[in-house]
Amino acid sequence: EAQVTQNPRYLITVTGKKLTVTCSQNMNHEYMSWYRQDPGLGLRQIYYSMNVEVTDKGDVPEGYKVSRKEKRNFPLILESPSPNQTSLYFCASRRPGGSDEQYFGPGTRLTVT
Amino acid sequence: ELKVEQNPLFLSMQEGKNYTIYCNYSTTSDRLYWYRQDPGKSLESLFVLLSNGAVKQEGRLMASLDTKARLSTLHITAAVHDLSATYFCAVGGRSGANNLFFGTGTRLTVIP
Repeated sequence: EAQVTQNPRYLITVTGKKLTVTCSQNMNHEYMSWYRQDPGLGLRQIYYSMNVEVTDKGDVPEGYKVSRKEKRNFPLILESPSPNQTSLYFCASRRPGGSDEQYFGPGTRLTVT
Repeated sequence: ELKVEQNPLFLSMQEGKNYTIYCNYSTTSDRLYWYRQDPGKSLESLFVLLSNGAVKQEGRLMASLDTKARLSTLHITAAVHDLSATYFCAVGGRSGANNLFFGTGTRLTVIP
């Protein structure tokens, strides 16, 4: 089954403790992206990647890092999480061209205390 | 920075009625997307609109795009309870589909 998976789905952590949220897709998509969703703000893009070793900042990249060492994986790294990073995070992927339809993962709810 | 505004933010409507959700955006873009999100779930792609005047329909939902007016509409015909969800529009930014800007969403509740 074609899908985007994220782990963990739920995470409660403390300020300053480094964490990684993994994202993996099995559709051989070149493009992957991370978003955060906050009430009243919709989704905002954090980082995106056009292909392996090619990443670029989105709308709200501060406090986040990403890497793209393999085509299928695009982890989101929070080196020193803060409470304002408490949010619902979505990973997405798509194959450039055609309908440009994006496929979203199930989401990761992160709480930083 | 590209701004995307949706209205209304909240919409409560009776089954069988028609209504339209509006999506305005601030700068030129050649692509617009509509998504649906059910409570506690991920986003599901509904429509991809890639040209001025594009119109797409799926069941009771129809989306259109007017790039000159920087406006997209999502029209609901004869609403049913199953359409209750939050609907988002998203617009391609400086890098097109690589850099999407989302509206704040319209929470639709269809009352039986």
